[in-house]
Amino acid sequence: EPEVTQTPSHQVTQMGQEVILRCVPISNHLYFYWYRQILGQKVEFLVSFYNNEISEKSEIFDDQFSVERPDGSNFTLKIRSTKLEDSAMYFCASKRWTSGDGTDTQYFGPGTRLTVL
Amino acid sequence: GQQVMQIPQYQHVQEGEDFTTYCNSSTTLSNIQWYKQRPGGHPVFLIQLVKSGEVKKQKRLTFQFGEAKKNSSLHITATQTTDVGTYFCAGKGAQKLVFGQGTRLTINP
Repeated sequence: EPEVTQTPSHQVTQMGQEVILRCVPISNHLYFYWYRQILGQKVEFLVSFYNNEISEKSEIFDDQFSVERPDGSNFTLKIRSTKLEDSAMYFCASKRWTSGDGTDTQYFGPGTRLTVL
Repeated sequence: GQQVMQIPQYQHVQEGEDFTTYCNSSTTLSNIQWYKQRPGGHPVFLIQLVKSGEVKKQKRLTFQFGEAKKNSSLHITATQTTDVGTYFCAGKGAQKLVFGQGTRLTINP
């Protein structure tokens, strides 16, 4: 069964450094998402991406964040200057389509644990 | 903005007991989805409810969507140790999913 993959599984970085988290969505999917989950807390939406542009973003997704789909398979999340509070698990998700009645399923990757020191 | 509240935050049961988690949205939802996250794992899609008053069953799991499409519940009958994990509801807005805080289920064998 096809699945979403993410690399690396764990990233440790110094505060102020740039990080790029990588995701390979399921190949025939059209919608892509990033979520984050601070340890022990709920999953929070960051951004959705469709047709090579951001379709929606949350208040968390400020100017320090950016997303890209550079080559038709990878979907990346960049954090320009990491802060301590960016430490969290980052999940990528993808979805095939949105049907008229709103039925859809998002498939989550295994996540990247980001630790900012 | 849209908020999704979920209760209880924690639930500990004896194996074989039933379990229910409740989800309430501040706004009417186009659909609601339920996910299960095992400790150290990622959210795994369980089910989606779309219609007002909809009830769906998956073996020992029963999912309900309220008539007003603002609340939902997940009920597990006769829990097993494999049911351990955190159950999240997620309400669908325009594009994004808004997750509840989750209910962490632990089970005494």
